[in-house]
Amino acid sequence: DTGVSQDPRHKITKRGQNVTFRCDPISEHNRLYWYRQTLGQGPEFLTYFQNEAQLEKSRLLSDRFSAERPKGSFSTLEIQRTEQGDSAMYLCASTNKEVGTDTQYFGPGTRLTVL
Amino acid sequence: AQKITQTQPGMFVQEKEAVTLDCTYDTSDQSYGLFWYKQPSSGEMIFLIYQGSYDEQNATEGRYSLNFQKARKSANLVISASQLGDSAMYFCAMRDTTGGTSYGKLTFGQGTILTVHP
Repeated sequence: DTGVSQDPRHKITKRGQNVTFRCDPISEHNRLYWYRQTLGQGPEFLTYFQNEAQLEKSRLLSDRFSAERPKGSFSTLEIQRTEQGDSAMYLCASTNKEVGTDTQYFGPGTRLTVL
Repeated sequence: AQKITQTQPGMFVQEKEAVTLDCTYDTSDQSYGLFWYKQPSSGEMIFLIYQGSYDEQNATEGRYSLNFQKARKSANLVISASQLGDSAMYFCAMRDTTGGTSYGKLTFGQGTILTVHP
């Protein structure tokens, strides 16, 4: 089994630019989660999808953030008009709710630096 | 709201010794799941062990065991026979089981940095 993959691993951008991250979950995992982790903190929930439906968004997810999961496979997270406060590690996780303990498996993350 | 507390910012252990990482949680739910993840400096979150609130036995996975004390709302991770490769950040997390559309998201603690000395 291949694990969760994320692309790119690192992104450096200038304030005000738009960025897009991609997450490919473990195949046949029907739930996909996005988390954000700032330095020295635990990850914080941003949003999640069950298949292609986005079922919940955190209050952390401002209007500049949008996520999609077309066809219930890979997901993208876009940040528009980036701010320095958006600098963080963005983690994606997937799980199959109907199988076992519903453990979330994480990808390697995308580290965003906004200059 | 659920809350996870890890009170040890950093822990040190000698190679081959055992170490306990503390985690306490707060929830009003009867059904919940507790997880431990390891995060090396590379950044990836690696799943270690899971404990369900109704599980009667403490969970074990190789050198990892979870000391689950439900009445005290604690879920401490025990690593036996520490190895140099165990040096990393460790996070305790709880799965939201309030039902409806909130089901499944994880709430994490602040983490504990473990350093294993040779």
